[in-house]
Amino acid sequence: DGGITQSPKYLFRKEGQNVTLSCEQNLNHDAMYWYRQDPGQGLRLIYYSQIVNDFQKGDIAEGYSVSREKKESFPLTVTSAQKNPTAFYLCASSADRVSYGYTFGSGTRLTVV
Amino acid sequence: AQKITQTQPGMFVQEKEAVTLDCTYDTSDPSYGLFWYKQPSSGEMIFLIYQGSYDQQNATEGRYSLNFQKARKSANLVISASQLGDSAMYFCAMREGPSIFGQGTELSVKP
Repeated sequence: DGGITQSPKYLFRKEGQNVTLSCEQNLNHDAMYWYRQDPGQGLRLIYYSQIVNDFQKGDIAEGYSVSREKKESFPLTVTSAQKNPTAFYLCASSADRVSYGYTFGSGTRLTVV
Repeated sequence: AQKITQTQPGMFVQEKEAVTLDCTYDTSDPSYGLFWYKQPSSGEMIFLIYQGSYDQQNATEGRYSLNFQKARKSANLVISASQLGDSAMYFCAMREGPSIFGQGTELSVKP
């Protein structure tokens, strides 16, 4: 079955650590996205990629980094520069057209300890 | 600039009744897509329904319909015959490039 897989489901980060969230899709989608969701709020765009080896910053890219070396994979690194990383992170993929909805992963809940 | 607004933080509806969730948007681009997603307590976002900016008719998907009023820039979601499993957060989204999302409406269905 085609889908999008995020791992881990829960992640704990110590102060000063970098952590990487995994996102893999087998839907053959060109576009992939990372969103952050804080409690009681909507989704805010961190980074997105429309093609392999290319990506663009979203509204809240500071303190985050991504790579897109393969069409299927779009990992997100939360760096120590991100001062308030505790949140729910959602990865999504889609055909790169305005008429296509997103397929989302099940999310990663990141907590700073 | 693009903007999308959901003004109802929470809504209650009796089981088997219909409910309307409001969504307004703002854009200067003539080509865009409007979407509704459901987010149960598990956290995963589920695509419900899509409306294109050039579509003349309102979109429908089973018990979901989208009341699209282009001149008023509104795209309200109507859920008919509510079920207990409809209790969730609902997000309106607009796509010209990457999607932007509203703040969400928490729907609670009462038995």
